[in-house]
Amino acid sequence: ELKVEQNPLFLSMQEGKNYTIYCNYSTTSDRLYWYRQDPGKSLESLFVLLSNGAVKQEGRLMASLDTKARLSTLHITAAVHDLSATYFCAVDRSNYKLTFGKGTLLTVNP
Amino acid sequence: DTAVSQTPKYLVTQMGNDKSIKCEQNLGHDTMYWYKQDSKKFLKIMFSYNNKELIINETVPNRFSPKSPDKAHLNLHINSLELGDSAVYFCASTSRGSSYNEQFFGPGTRLTVL
Repeated sequence: ELKVEQNPLFLSMQEGKNYTIYCNYSTTSDRLYWYRQDPGKSLESLFVLLSNGAVKQEGRLMASLDTKARLSTLHITAAVHDLSATYFCAVDRSNYKLTFGKGTLLTVNP
Repeated sequence: DTAVSQTPKYLVTQMGNDKSIKCEQNLGHDTMYWYKQDSKKFLKIMFSYNNKELIINETVPNRFSPKSPDKAHLNLHINSLELGDSAVYFCASTSRGSSYNEQFFGPGTRLTVL
């Protein structure tokens, strides 16, 4: 059974600082996704990572994938308050079924 | 607007009642899903349909019955509602032919069972 573990589950950081969220998964998978969820809202797709070594960046967020280590990271650069949200990673094992991590609640403090 | 839409957004009901949630997507996708997000924000897949055919059916009580009248619509009917059914239910859709198979989520239906 595929297991997806995120850490940390809670992250409180100051504006301007850098930090990384980690996503480990237990079995070989085809695609890895990062989603953002604001309180009371839907899930917004941030990144789709398909292959080993894939790196994608959008603004202050950068996601990478190491399929050999079964690890993806979401790096936050110079955090701003607007990045406060819950971030989920999710993995697809070629069966079009997403298995989600528990989410990381990020709070960026001024 | 191209999107995944759900109705209703909020649903408050008594234990034992039967209720339905509807989902529609106008993205031209062929695959739709129902997810349940519990109070701890954990997301778990419940069902998936591809071109009106049920392809994923997780371990869900048979009080939950999905139905897809066409590939743009997926409904979820819940019989004999229980307190533990309180959650946010998200519909999502994707196109299996695309390389990314990115799933797009609806706004969610917050179900509260009293």
